[in-house]
Amino acid sequence: EDKVVQSPLSLVVHEGDTVTLNCSYEVTNFRSLLWYKQEKKAPTFLFMLTSSGIEKKSGRLSSILDKKELFSILNITATQTGDSAIYLCAVEASGSRLTFGEGTQLTVNP
Amino acid sequence: GAVVSQHPSRVICKSGTSVKIECRSLDFQATTMFWYRQFPKQSLMLMATSNEGSKATYEQGVEKDKFLINHASLTLSTLTVTSAHPEDSSFYICSANREFNEQFFGPGTRLTVL
Repeated sequence: EDKVVQSPLSLVVHEGDTVTLNCSYEVTNFRSLLWYKQEKKAPTFLFMLTSSGIEKKSGRLSSILDKKELFSILNITATQTGDSAIYLCAVEASGSRLTFGEGTQLTVNP
Repeated sequence: GAVVSQHPSRVICKSGTSVKIECRSLDFQATTMFWYRQFPKQSLMLMATSNEGSKATYEQGVEKDKFLINHASLTLSTLTVTSAHPEDSSFYICSANREFNEQFFGPGTRLTVL
C-alpha cells in the first residue's frame, strides 16, 4: 500500500522565520511528488518534482526531491502571515493516482 | 491555469436522501477525473478514479453502490451519494487530468447530512 508521511504535523512560527516541511514516501511505480497549499477550500498546486536533486523555486518557496532516500522537503523563507495554511505532499503513482500525506498545518504569527 | 468547477459548493440534506455532485472541466477535456473525500483535520483520501465512457475504479473500502460515479462526457463527472447518512458528511473534492498528467482540483463540495 502506498504511503506518504509528512512532518511536522503542526508548526507555529513568527513572521520572517524560515520553515522546512518534510515528506517521506513509500510508493510502487513512483511517477512524481507534488506539493500543494490548502487554505479554506481545495488544494492549490505548488510544485511537481520528478528528478532527484533538482531544486524547484517559486518566490520564497523551494522544494527538492531525493529519490534514493524517498523524501522531499519544502522550504519557505521569510514567512508571512499569508503563508498560514495546510501544506500537503502527494505522490503520484501509475494511473495518475495521488496518495496524500496528512499535511502540515503551518501557522505564521505576526 | 485550467479551471475545474464543482456544483453545488455546499449542500445540506436529510439522512436517507441522495445527493449528486457535479465536477466539470471548463476549458479542457479530461479523460480521467478523480474523487477525493476529506474529513475535518484529515488529508484528502482518494475514493475513486472516473474514466470517461467506462466504469469507475474504486479504492479499497469505498462502497461503489453507495458512491455512484458517472463520467458521461469528457468534461463532466458526477458523484452521487446514495442514502446519505451523517457519517457521509465531508468535503468532497474532484480533480481532472489534463495533458502531461497535470491534475487540477475543483473548489470542493461541503456535504452535511442531518
